[in-house]
Amino acid sequence: EVVLTQSPATLSLSPGERATLSCRASQSVSSYVAWYQQKPGQAPRLLIYDASSRATGIPARFSGSGSGTDFTLTISSLETEDIAVYYCQQRIKWPPTFGQGTKVEIK
Amino acid sequence: EVQLVESGGGLVQPGGSLRLSCAASGFNFNNYWMSWVRQAPGKGLEWVANIKEDGSQKYYVDSVRGRFSISRDNSKNSLDMHMKNLRVEDTAVYYCVREAGAFDIWGQGTMVTVSS
Repeated sequence: EVVLTQSPATLSLSPGERATLSCRASQSVSSYVAWYQQKPGQAPRLLIYDASSRATGIPARFSGSGSGTDFTLTISSLETEDIAVYYCQQRIKWPPTFGQGTKVEIK
Repeated sequence: EVQLVESGGGLVQPGGSLRLSCAASGFNFNNYWMSWVRQAPGKGLEWVANIKEDGSQKYYVDSVRGRFSISRDNSKNSLDMHMKNLRVEDTAVYYCVREAGAFDIWGQGTMVTVSS
């Protein structure tokens, strides 16, 4: 199965700073990567699909990029409501797999 | 409003059985693949199983194949998962999830605890 490795494990930033989250796949997954946000006590929410397309209702400060094995989720200007764990996921190789998550916290 | 509502979770002993249900509303249920995704306490997300729009294809992660069975009733807009021979490591929140390429709609989850 495809292993997705996310880094860093934890990201501590101040409000207004830029957050850059990385997801690396153990083999090429083309552009079939999604990103999810999970706030404490809540279900995950789809942010980005197909590497760079924002899901409905997702603010423009969230953007995704990458293809092949290296992917990035960027939050251009961090807000306190963005405190969450972020997961990447690939869907092109069976079974669908998730990364282990990056926790974003406010410094 | 597009919504998925799970039910059926609870405490069960190792080796026991449980049936999870998911009620879908606000969209054409029979036009989508559906999945179950689980999350063990304090851990990440794990895809468990999915089922095609018409129920003709079903897939499972290796760790549950032969013990879990996914099904759907398009006339009732419902998704089920029958779980048997449950193990301690099956303890998790189970999410019902709509597939539209990515997992675009998630339920709130139902907790399954396997413990003696």
